[in-house]
Amino acid sequence: AQSVTQLGSHVSVSEGALVLLRCNYSSSVPPYLFWYVQYPNQGLQLLLKYTSAATLVKGINGFEAEFKKSETSFHLTKPSAHMSDAAEYFCAVGRAGGTSYGKLTFGQGTILTVHP
Amino acid sequence: EAQVTQNPRYLITVTGKKLTVTCSQNMNHEYMSWYRQDPGLGLRQIYYSMNVEVTDKGDVPEGYKVSRKEKRNFPLILESPSPNQTSLYFCASSFNDAGGNTEAFFGQGTRLTVV
Repeated sequence: AQSVTQLGSHVSVSEGALVLLRCNYSSSVPPYLFWYVQYPNQGLQLLLKYTSAATLVKGINGFEAEFKKSETSFHLTKPSAHMSDAAEYFCAVGRAGGTSYGKLTFGQGTILTVHP
Repeated sequence: EAQVTQNPRYLITVTGKKLTVTCSQNMNHEYMSWYRQDPGLGLRQIYYSMNVEVTDKGDVPEGYKVSRKEKRNFPLILESPSPNQTSLYFCASSFNDAGGNTEAFFGQGTRLTVV
């Protein structure tokens, strides 16, 4: 079984400030971890993914995330927020190995608001 | 362009009237899934398919049917829609390489309202 918990349904930051979106996972097997972003009235777009290579993963739009097995965490960060980062962000866990069948388990989502 | 295409984007229907939401992908992916998105609950998987004629239930399958007669298409069928099926629906497709590396590609979503 696998699960994801995103801490904080809403996060508000000022433009130029650090963005930190928290994600903790539970998985009985080595996980693959993903962050997706959803802009209003659009589908989900992959930001970055961890697939058991480097623990620090860099994604699009200046985002990065660090896999910490001891803390079962995969927090998303960006050094300096931009107005265009305002969106909903989803953390998801997939099952490593050939039996995943593409199944992802998603967190509840975090809405990021960026103030001028 | 690689994409997952859902139709319609918006749909308002009445309780009990059968409907189908279509999904098509052009990436030759083996795996396809349907999710529903509800506020505060994230995305929950409804059904998934590992390949043609192979489907299985996800986390919230009640009230839904699917079929996979062709690799590219994975329609979602609501035989008798009810108001609690009002939601935003996403179709996704994914590959699974030899190392189990999987990444899901999502359609634009279908906003369904059942009155």
